[in-house]
Amino acid sequence: SQQGEEDPQALSIQEGENATMNCSYKTSINNLQWYRQNSGRGLVHLILIRSNEREKHSGRLRVTLDTSKKSSSLLITASRAADTASYFCATDTGGNEKLTFGTGTRLTIIP
Amino acid sequence: DGGITQSPKYLFRKEGQNVTLSCEQNLNHDAMYWYRQDPGQGLRLIYYSQIVNDFQKGDIAEGYSVSREKKESFPLTVTSAQKNPTAFYLCASSASVRYTFGSGTRLTVV
Repeated sequence: SQQGEEDPQALSIQEGENATMNCSYKTSINNLQWYRQNSGRGLVHLILIRSNEREKHSGRLRVTLDTSKKSSSLLITASRAADTASYFCATDTGGNEKLTFGTGTRLTIIP
Repeated sequence: DGGITQSPKYLFRKEGQNVTLSCEQNLNHDAMYWYRQDPGQGLRLIYYSQIVNDFQKGDIAEGYSVSREKKESFPLTVTSAQKNPTAFYLCASSASVRYTFGSGTRLTVV
């Protein structure tokens, strides 16, 4: 079952602009992660935020988590052509390490 | 270099044929996972294993089988019972909730 739903499904922006994508989930979680997937490749881990955290930064990435709304957002600042990829959120509920992935946002950066 | 290797990168299957996808990791991770990804879709869990000689069904296990005889290896067999096997298959491993993924196998039925 799909725990997360990303919004929007697709996003195109000019290079240098900021990109924001959102993830909503259905049940209580332990952690939420964001992964990137370049076309035809595997997923690469970007950032993890725990359920007791509200915001986290890593380089040009900023993730927020609102557990009351069961939602998270990923902000990529000063976008680059190399950021073109699909982005997925993934959640776990604790107890085991099984992740449930969302449907993804396809981000295109226009040079 | 530590990592996770999937092979082959591309695989073609005839109707009624079983095929096996390979997944090997040298990260010393206990847990391994198989996901299926259809075009423009998210990942759906097929099978997972948290320890050698043990594995559990995921959300879409029908038509698939796995084994976990060694910590490093978690092969996936797509059987003839899987009616719509054309997809991108991803293997992952983890020592915690952070996954490391292989580069995937694209399976096509011909």
